[in-house]
Amino acid sequence: QLQLQESGPGLVKPSESLSLTCTVSGGSIRSTSHFWGWIRQPPGKGLEWIGDVFYSGSSSYNPSLKSRVTISVDTSKNHFSLKLNSVTAADTAVYYCARRVNTGWFDFWGQGALVTVSS
Amino acid sequence: DIQMTQSPSSVSASVGDRVTITCRASQGITSWVAWYQQKPGKAPKLLISAASSLQSGVPSRFSVSGSGTDFTLTISSLQPEDFATYFCQQANSFPRIFTFGPGTKVDIK
Repeated sequence: QLQLQESGPGLVKPSESLSLTCTVSGGSIRSTSHFWGWIRQPPGKGLEWIGDVFYSGSSSYNPSLKSRVTISVDTSKNHFSLKLNSVTAADTAVYYCARRVNTGWFDFWGQGALVTVSS
Repeated sequence: DIQMTQSPSSVSASVGDRVTITCRASQGITSWVAWYQQKPGKAPKLLISAASSLQSGVPSRFSVSGSGTDFTLTISSLQPEDFATYFCQQANSFPRIFTFGPGTKVDIK
């Protein structure tokens, strides 16, 4: 069974960068049928797609975050990563990594990682 | 960008009730909508994707309908494990930008 697990700091200071890694187990990130994405959910609010990456390294981003986001992949470690620059309190959220199928649905999710932006 | 709205934002229902949740897209998206269920403290779970494709293990009491801009998720007979928040998601836009509805919370009456 495919599993995804987020890891990274739970507390980030304002203006600094948020970095998270998603380790994929039970399957290969080198899939030609899937993309690997990040979705976030502020406490008590809805879901926002941040972006995703193909195993080749090709990525796409939500235009609202594009200027601050980088998503990268490391196929040798079977993981992909998120970096969000210049964070503010508005970036406080549970960050999920997920697998996206070609049609656009997210069929496997990590358990989520709460990241709080605070000094 | 395509925006998604959902109604109602919350609904109180009893076990055995039929529950219908509506999702509306700001522009036509053919049938490219999926539905997720999220329980407190858990990640969303994909229930049904476009064209009524139930995910493995999802009970048949869940069904979807609609196309264009208006979509519905129906739970034919609500079970205790169905109390959760439900989100719709569109995947129609090009370039690919994926947006979710704000969610509908189904709680116990």
